[in-house]
Amino acid sequence: GAVVSQHPSWVICKSGTSVKIECRSLDFQATTMFWYRQFPKQSLMLMATSNEGSKATYEQGVEKDKFLINHASLTLSTLTVTSAHPEDSSFYICSAARLRYGTEAFFGQGTRLTVV
Amino acid sequence: SQQGEEDPQALSIQEGENATMNCSYKTSINNLQWYRQNSGRGLVHLILIRSNEREKHSGRLRVTLDTSKKSSSLLITASRAADTASYFCATDAPGGFKTIFGAGTRLFVKA
Repeated sequence: GAVVSQHPSWVICKSGTSVKIECRSLDFQATTMFWYRQFPKQSLMLMATSNEGSKATYEQGVEKDKFLINHASLTLSTLTVTSAHPEDSSFYICSAARLRYGTEAFFGQGTRLTVV
Repeated sequence: SQQGEEDPQALSIQEGENATMNCSYKTSINNLQWYRQNSGRGLVHLILIRSNEREKHSGRLRVTLDTSKKSSSLLITASRAADTASYFCATDAPGGFKTIFGAGTRLFVKA
């Protein structure tokens, strides 16, 4: 299967700082990437859909100015949590889709963000 | 947003027993996938079943799909302690490529 690499796997940051999470498709071109957030013992909630070269589409209730998404190339999307607060602490997971191969999405290993 | 419900929310069984988890969804789909997630870790893709398929097998896993009822089930046979994890169904809607997850079932297999 296709490989999606997410970096970092965990990060601790101070309140008020910004954190960038990278999602890379290593062996295929991903026209679309997705960002999810997961709180402990809960399911994955879709935050936004990112298409290469265009603005991300955010789900209802997700602050686009807080969670900046950039999809500058077919192999890289980034999520930046700006001015992080303790309530932003969560598990963030990306996935990448190869549209020519149907809608199966391939997931990164996730990033655990802790804001102190 | 979440697509639907999973049932049960939690399941505790003895090693060797079968585990059945159900998933219901709300809209029409292209395909449905099942994933496993160990505590605090990433997702492991288990199986994909397309909307025109009714049943699929992979090792000890058996997945069924009933599009008329908008439901799917995942059966794990001869469970092992290592199967302890959360299991999620996820669906892709026609015309879009968003993968939407169900609430998940937490499975605990006692050795």
